[in-house]
Amino acid sequence: EPEVTQTPSHQVTQMGQEVILRCVPISNHLYFYWYRQILGQKVEFLVSFYNNEISEKSEIFDDQFSVERPDGSNFTLKIRSTKLEDSAMYFCASSLGRRYEKLFFGSGTQLSVL
Amino acid sequence: EDQVTQSPEALRLQEGESSSLNCSYTVSGLRGLFWYRQDPGKGPEFLFTLYSAGEEKEKERLKATLTKKESFLHITAPKPEDSATYLCAVQAQPFSGGYNKLIFGAGTRLAVHP
Repeated sequence: EPEVTQTPSHQVTQMGQEVILRCVPISNHLYFYWYRQILGQKVEFLVSFYNNEISEKSEIFDDQFSVERPDGSNFTLKIRSTKLEDSAMYFCASSLGRRYEKLFFGSGTQLSVL
Repeated sequence: EDQVTQSPEALRLQEGESSSLNCSYTVSGLRGLFWYRQDPGKGPEFLFTLYSAGEEKEKERLKATLTKKESFLHITAPKPEDSATYLCAVQAQPFSGGYNKLIFGAGTRLAVHP
């Protein structure tokens, strides 16, 4: 079965540093998402992306966050100046169509901000 | 505010001991209810989508049902490999033209012992 691939699996950074989390969605999918899960908490929506623009974003997704699809295969999440509270597991997901028939999630990047 | 509540938080079963997990939701208008399985350190894995009250779906030992206020995930004769966290998520109306976020519950941690 096709997979969403995320790299790196773990990222450790110092507070205030920029990080880029990378994702390769499933090749024929058109809709891309980032979610995050702070340890012991719910999975939370961050942003959805379609046709090279943000479709929807949550209150968490402030000016410190940005997303990009720099080429035909990668989808990235950038955090400009990391804070301690950004420490979480970040999941990339993709779906083929508008309806959430099947949202495929990657295995996540565990971000630790020190 | 749209909300998803899952119970119990944790459930321990003996192999073969059937049980049910509950997901109650309060949303402005339900477009879909989703069940995912999450293994430790992994991303959510899609199980089922339910769209309207009365709908049921089955997969192996799992059966999901939906009413106007809640959904149940029934596990029949579970095996140790069914041990995981089961997440419920809703997609709510209105469909504004964006690609609505999934709102997740906190999950039920299921442990099945031989």
